[in-house]
Amino acid sequence: GDSVTQMEGPVTLSEEAFLTINCTYTATGYPSLFWYVQYPGEGLQLLLKATKADDKGSNKGFEATYRKETTSFHLEKGSVQVSDSAVYFCALSDRGGSNYKLTFGKGTLLTVNP
Amino acid sequence: GAGVSQSPSNKVTEKGKDVELRCDPISGHTALYWYRQRLGQGLEFLIYFQGNSAPDKSGLPSDRFSAERTGESVSTLTIQRTQQEDSAVYLCASSSEAGRSNSPLHFGNGTRLTVT
Repeated sequence: GDSVTQMEGPVTLSEEAFLTINCTYTATGYPSLFWYVQYPGEGLQLLLKATKADDKGSNKGFEATYRKETTSFHLEKGSVQVSDSAVYFCALSDRGGSNYKLTFGKGTLLTVNP
Repeated sequence: GAGVSQSPSNKVTEKGKDVELRCDPISGHTALYWYRQRLGQGLEFLIYFQGNSAPDKSGLPSDRFSAERTGESVSTLTIQRTQQEDSAVYLCASSSEAGRSNSPLHFGNGTRLTVT
């Protein structure tokens, strides 16, 4: 079945540091890939997405590139801020299968210190 | 409302009791989903509604779990005879159209269920 494996946290960085959170996937079809973020006290919200190979999703300074050859969708940001502290979830929607539901990774807690 | 609303935000119940969790999706969203997140785990899909019908209930862990949706709006997730392993955060999400990448899921803040 489909699965998502993401970097285990917690990750602690200083402000302006470079961030990478690794995510790899297995899917039976040709999935769409997502990063969701959950800020403290809030619900999950979509951060960025990519729907086909080599697509780059980007939002709020975050980027992730859909790499079919390595089945990866790593999240990166060049300079993190304290306000980026949150839990980040990688997810896929398998268009070859149940394309209406998401398969999530376990989440990675990021803490950014001033 | 502006977002997905879930109630209660926290629920503590004794083992063996029944609980009902409520979700108010974004107005006009036809698709509604229930997920749960147990401690240290990723989100697990439970059930999906399109309108008032549930084409996929495959994620419900046992027959103690059931859900309904009325008026293409509010949904209730019911857990009968709760067990300690049911302790988790139960998340509801809605989207304007199921299965489309340009229709992202909008999540509520969840209900934290603790079974003692």
